[in-house]
Amino acid sequence: EVQLVESGGGLVQPGRSLRLSCAASGFTFDDYAMHWVRQAPGKGLEWVSGVRWNGDTIGSADSVKGRFSISRDNAKTSLYLQMNSLRAEDTALYYCTRMRVGATKDAFDIWGQGTMVTVSS
Amino acid sequence: DIVMTQSPDSLAVSLGERATINCKSSQSVLYSSNNKNYLAWYQQKPGQPPKLLFYWASTRESGVPDRFSGSGSGTDFTLTISSLQAEDVAVYYCQQYYSTQYTFGQGTKLEIK
Repeated sequence: EVQLVESGGGLVQPGRSLRLSCAASGFTFDDYAMHWVRQAPGKGLEWVSGVRWNGDTIGSADSVKGRFSISRDNAKTSLYLQMNSLRAEDTALYYCTRMRVGATKDAFDIWGQGTMVTVSS
Repeated sequence: DIVMTQSPDSLAVSLGERATINCKSSQSVLYSSNNKNYLAWYQQKPGQPPKLLFYWASTRESGVPDRFSGSGSGTDFTLTISSLQAEDVAVYYCQQYYSTQYTFGQGTKLEIK
């Protein structure tokens, strides 16, 4: 079964750091680009960052540029999001998602259940 | 960034009736080199992650019922449900992947009238 399982979320104070992980299974992980998408409580979807199959960053949203960094470990079939200098507006459910086929331009076909990040003092 | 605007924000349709959701992009998402529209549609039910319904604007993802259809080109796109079922209650999002600053529409909440 194709599966993405996120972890690492929690309650964190503003200005602190957090690292999210996404464990992939059921498919050849290093064949696919991977992304993080977030959803603030009661709000819509916002793309956060993406990484090519080989670890090269595709890009990041302006709202997180310079604070968040994406990475992957193909040997461990895992995706990561290092989040620094967290702000209240980063509070959201963070989804790990797989890009369908393309290297950088395709839809997101597999989604995890998400991990919740709450930034509050 | 390409701005995606959906209409309406919410929609109530009777069971068995047609539901239509529109999505407009601030610039064309049609790639002239391959004549493909870099546009996807997702369905998100309460408490669940989004589910891919269509890519390339009109290519149905495997397992999606054929009462769902996607259409449009350039900057104007439509998601249509031909005969609404109770299980179709959800929020629907369009998304462009023409630019690698991927952007989603604000979502359209579909309910039963």
